[in-house]
Amino acid sequence: QKEVEQDPGPLSVPEGAIVSLNCTYSNSAFQYFMWYRQYSRKGPELLMYTYSSGNKEDGRFTAQVDKSSKYISLFIRDSQPSDSATYLCAMSTQNNNDMRFGAGTRLTVKP
Amino acid sequence: GAGVSQSPSNKVTEKGKDVELRCDPISGHTALYWYRQRLGQGLEFLIYFQGNSAPDKSGLPSDRFSAERTGESVSTLTIQRTQQEDSAVYLCASSLVSPSYEQYFGPGTRLTVT
Repeated sequence: QKEVEQDPGPLSVPEGAIVSLNCTYSNSAFQYFMWYRQYSRKGPELLMYTYSSGNKEDGRFTAQVDKSSKYISLFIRDSQPSDSATYLCAMSTQNNNDMRFGAGTRLTVKP
Repeated sequence: GAGVSQSPSNKVTEKGKDVELRCDPISGHTALYWYRQRLGQGLEFLIYFQGNSAPDKSGLPSDRFSAERTGESVSTLTIQRTQQEDSAVYLCASSLVSPSYEQYFGPGTRLTVT
């Protein structure tokens, strides 16, 4: 079993839709939970991070962490074609030197 | 300011040859990380530098892989006697403090071993 599981998609939605991206994990020691966005032929860029459980909102993006279920989510409201990218979840323990990534979900938002 | 840069952007090599990949981190960033990204898979951690020392080499897949860093500057990842399974995108990232979840990635080097 992989430490971090993420559905690779691909996921295709119409512009304006609400997008839900999810990851599950097995290591209960993970404390930091991140979402990175990767455009084609580019390196990943940090989109959001959450420490421990809870929700965090930033504009159209909301990150949720449920440590009891070992489940994290990223919601994108009013999705735009410019949101089309691969979204990778990542997580690490308190040390932050052991970040583990999901496989990434490829999202396409159609105009 | 300038981001993380990597060179070459693409490298095609024959099986058995050695390759050297270069990473220039953001100036002032103390930590530097190397990852491998195979097609359709997540990032696989290879090695992490704090300054020019590597406290964690656990991710290097075999003794054919090695990495060095000069001070808090450029790093090179060397793969000796390349194999076809080494074909992947090799990504470098740096962070201001070490270690950190807030990593800034370069565009990667796409390595193809024929």
